[in-house]
Amino acid sequence: DVVMTQSPLSLPVTLGQPASISCRSSQSLVYSDGNTYLNWFQQRPGQSPRRLIYKVSNRDSGVPDRFSGSGSGTDFTLKISRVEAEDVGVYYCMQGTHWPWTFGQGTKVEIK
Amino acid sequence: EVQLVESGGGLVQPGGSLRLSCAASGFTFSSYWMHWVRQAPGKGLVWVSRINSDGSSTSYADSVKGRFTISRDNAKNTLYLQMNSLRAEDTAVYYCARDLGSLWGQGTLVTVSS
Repeated sequence: DVVMTQSPLSLPVTLGQPASISCRSSQSLVYSDGNTYLNWFQQRPGQSPRRLIYKVSNRDSGVPDRFSGSGSGTDFTLKISRVEAEDVGVYYCMQGTHWPWTFGQGTKVEIK
Repeated sequence: EVQLVESGGGLVQPGGSLRLSCAASGFTFSSYWMHWVRQAPGKGLVWVSRINSDGSSTSYADSVKGRFTISRDNAKNTLYLQMNSLRAEDTAVYYCARDLGSLWGQGTLVTVSS
């Protein structure tokens, strides 16, 4: 299985400051159709996961533009330009290129 | 409203069976691949199974292969997960999800314990 490794696992952030989460895969996530199926999910406390970003850098409908995704191959990043209180939760990267699809361990974002 | 609503979770003894359902509404269910993902208490997300739009193709994580069966009824807009030979390590919240995670249900808790 493809191993997804996130860092850091805990991220204390000051309100209004930027945050960045790294995600690395054990093999390339470029699919045979040329797409890279790397997604980012947010899971707020007590809630279901919510997709923020699909195919590396595409924001889902309703996702604030302070969230952005980037990367290629095996190295990816989720950035929050200015953290707000509602961003508290656990963030997961997920690869949908190789079955079984796999998630990173999760990064817990909290306010300092 | 576009939504997925899971049901069928509960407490079951080791070796027992349970059938989860996921009712879809607000979108064309028959056009989408559907998935089951689980999350053990305090742990991360794990993909369990997937099924293509017409139900002709399925895949399973090794941990559930031979014990779980995913199916769907497009006429009823419902996804199912039949879980047999349940083990303590199957204890988790089970979510249904649409295609690459674009929509998730609220989850249903399955507890396997004597």
